[in-house]
Amino acid sequence: GAVVSQHPSWVICKSGTSVKIECRSLDFQATTMFWYRQFPKQSLMLMATSNEGSKATYEQGVEKDKFLINHASLTLSTLTVTSAHPEDSSFYICSARESSGREQFFGPGTRLTVL
Amino acid sequence: GQNIDQPTEMTATEGAIVQINCTYQTSGFNGLFWYQQHAGEAPTFLSYNVLDGLEEKGRFSSFLSRSKGYSYLLLKELQMKDSASYLCAVIESNYQLIWGAGTKLIIKP
Repeated sequence: GAVVSQHPSWVICKSGTSVKIECRSLDFQATTMFWYRQFPKQSLMLMATSNEGSKATYEQGVEKDKFLINHASLTLSTLTVTSAHPEDSSFYICSARESSGREQFFGPGTRLTVL
Repeated sequence: GQNIDQPTEMTATEGAIVQINCTYQTSGFNGLFWYQQHAGEAPTFLSYNVLDGLEEKGRFSSFLSRSKGYSYLLLKELQMKDSASYLCAVIESNYQLIWGAGTKLIIKP
């Protein structure tokens, strides 16, 4: 099946710094990408939906100014966690839906630890 | 309504094979996850199925039948470190995740 990659797979940063996570669809064009977040010991939650070339749609309770999403091309979306704090430590998973809209593929996730 | 069923607990022997089943009834379907969770830790991603069939990844395989609302996670060559809870989760039409309660897998020497 199609492959979605994420980079980095894990990152450790200091409180107050910003971290960028990349999500790439390697062999297909993704008109829509989704970002999920998983809190420790809790369920994975949808953070935002982004369509190529337009602003992301954020779920209720997700701060758009803190979690910046850029979907600049049909194969790349980025999530930037600005001014990260320890409570932002989590597992972030992206997924990409192909242009036909029939299938959605998930990345392996990025584990963020903020010290 | 929404419902995901998986056995509460299973026991298997080191080196053996175990199959953990998951059945679901949800509002639409956009894929099914399997996660592994060790006690006191966050769940970690194991597999994702959106099409019918078997996906193999090393010692772990995951199967999906959308018409039957059924999936299983197959673990081969069991190791003691495989003792954990295994969570089944379905992505609904609105891309929200619905989680099963998890299956606690106990591995005996």
